[in-house]
Amino acid sequence: NSKVIQTPRYLVKGQGQKAKMRCIPEKGHPVVFWYQQNKNNEFKFLINFQNQEVLQQIDMTEKRFSAECPSNSPCSLEIQSSEAGDSALYLCASSRGVSNERLFFGHGTKLSVL
Amino acid sequence: GEKVEQHESTLSVREGDSAVINCTYTDTASSYFPWYKQEAGKSLHFVIDIRSNVDRKQSQRLTVLLDKKAKRFSLHITATQPEDSAIYFCAASWGNMGYKLTFGTGTSLLVDP
Repeated sequence: NSKVIQTPRYLVKGQGQKAKMRCIPEKGHPVVFWYQQNKNNEFKFLINFQNQEVLQQIDMTEKRFSAECPSNSPCSLEIQSSEAGDSALYLCASSRGVSNERLFFGHGTKLSVL
Repeated sequence: GEKVEQHESTLSVREGDSAVINCTYTDTASSYFPWYKQEAGKSLHFVIDIRSNVDRKQSQRLTVLLDKKAKRFSLHITATQPEDSAIYFCAASWGNMGYKLTFGTGTSLLVDP
């Protein structure tokens, strides 16, 4: 069973609506990743954090997506204005360190934008 | 940027046979190559990994081979069991401070009992 907890499991939004999902990393893991997995099993890296600091993010994340990992609270990923193309499985993963470490994944949040 | 390709989208073997899944990558700087497994209804789960300082790693029935010259790596599963049926994803990354994995698109392995 995954120790990375993602909520909600399913999220349905209309175009233009905000969509927010949360992730609690495995205890003791300071590094958190967000990936988008589409129906063709293509993974897109979105952003990663070490503790509360952003390590890397892609352009898309800078524009319509916002993410944070506050101390003592779940990490979150929010899409400001959902588009049909955002429909995908959003995976959160955590790891022990910043240097090529094994990732522990949550079950994901499946977002459907109608 | 880095691209990782998995050459078999599906693979079907009989229980007890071996299975081989192949991947290629483009970035010569890639130094870390993990494999993940996704069973139906479950999250991605780490299987095995290899780093670029070795060309072979074995863990029980699993062996990973790395050919840096060809920029190719492969997962070998011996004595397959029905429980090995899943989608297997290969990935590659590099970097010591802040890394991100680039994934292949998965190989669906079916082990027939």
